[in-house]
Amino acid sequence: AQKITQTQPGMFVQEKEAVTLDCTYDTSDPSYGLFWYKQPSSGEMIFLIYQGSYDQQNATEGRYSLNFQKARKSANLVISASQLGDSAMYFCAMREGVVDYGQNFVFGPGTRLSVLP
Amino acid sequence: DVKVTQSSRYLVKRTGEKVFLECVQDMDHENMFWYRQDPGLGLRLIYFSYDVKMKEKGDIPEGYSVSREKKERFSLILESASTNQTSMYLCASSTFLGSPLHFGNGTRLTVT
Repeated sequence: AQKITQTQPGMFVQEKEAVTLDCTYDTSDPSYGLFWYKQPSSGEMIFLIYQGSYDQQNATEGRYSLNFQKARKSANLVISASQLGDSAMYFCAMREGVVDYGQNFVFGPGTRLSVLP
Repeated sequence: DVKVTQSSRYLVKRTGEKVFLECVQDMDHENMFWYRQDPGLGLRLIYFSYDVKMKEKGDIPEGYSVSREKKERFSLILESASTNQTSMYLCASSTFLGSPLHFGNGTRLTVT
């Protein structure tokens, strides 16, 4: 079964508008972390934002915020005021448990975001 | 800022060659990882290491080996490169207590 689901293979947004990228996850572990990464066409994976399962408030990092709905097991990424440089693949990822032992870090299939001028 | 450096951005090798992909991190992270990324298949874990000289198989270790002689360096070795190993290879590191994975820029390997 897929542990991370990203239902939007591709999305378009107008420059300066906000966009939400969906992510749902599946785990029975009470301790987990959720991550979003950006991958531009150049290939590097850039860490954007993190949400822990026990965090009470939604994480924010500049123009990025994570809409964490624990009961629904969703962790959507919101990008405000989109810029042309935001065009990239975006991956949602989850680490189950507290300790990182490699195979407990899983990635979703990604969403390709295109920002239109 | 964490820096993870992969030695080559692009690499072209012939079938049967032994290939070394090098990765170095400068933040004293315990964990290091090698992933490959292919269209439609996402990121797949090849090997990871949680300490010097320690290694664990990931989801797709066949045809690969790794070496971690020093904490900061994690090498991926293709013993005899094959065309189905043409891919994007991504190295990452993290602390033991589950910090984000920090990735290098990737190596795009083509085996002809």
